[in-house]
Amino acid sequence: YDLTQPPSVSVSPGQTASITCSGDKLGDKYACWYQQKPGQSPTLVIYQDSMRPSGIPERFSGSNSGNTAILTISGTQAMDEADYYCQAWDSSTVVFGGGTKLTVL
Amino acid sequence: QLQLQESGSGLVKPSQTLSLTCAVSGGSISSGGYSWNWIRQPPGKGLEWVGHIYQIGSTYYNPSLRTRVTISLDRSTNQFSLRLTSVTAADTAVYFCARAATYYFDFWGQGTLVTVSS
Repeated sequence: YDLTQPPSVSVSPGQTASITCSGDKLGDKYACWYQQKPGQSPTLVIYQDSMRPSGIPERFSGSNSGNTAILTISGTQAMDEADYYCQAWDSSTVVFGGGTKLTVL
Repeated sequence: QLQLQESGSGLVKPSQTLSLTCAVSGGSISSGGYSWNWIRQPPGKGLEWVGHIYQIGSTYYNPSLRTRVTISLDRSTNQFSLRLTSVTAADTAVYFCARAATYYFDFWGQGTLVTVSS
């Protein structure tokens, strides 16, 4: 099972960034998203398609339908510049997307 | 607050066995409803799931690594371990241990770099 993400996305500060994750019937599974900054472990920012863990800002939101999950960052800030990975479970195994580098410029 | 800490050899020779341990504190690996995972990240590349083990001992592995991977639990020390045999340079990566709740990883270790080189 494969999950496909764009390698890079650029956004201006204060604007909305959208990062897609595509997989066969992904909407039938739970998708989640991780943020990873250089030299750090990944941090969960969205789980079960659209839930935000405690401490994650409200500007992070998620959706999942059909073959595509989307991570949306509203009012993007410089601190949001990072790599983002989607992830799903498929038959007791785990799959990650290839990652998207978000540039805020 | 749950904490995970990886430890093990940072340098492994080609064809030998990579061994890592993840020490869990602030919670028990015997708690139901979670799995204990290994995930790796080659330098400059993305995340790759290696495998996981449930508290009852059942294991699942990445199909691409299945023939070389073993994950085990040690309830007496609250640790779980990874063994990867017949390593090559392609196994050079930062290895993370992580806890999975229902369909997502909620706690991660800081990661440990393992280099395969003679």
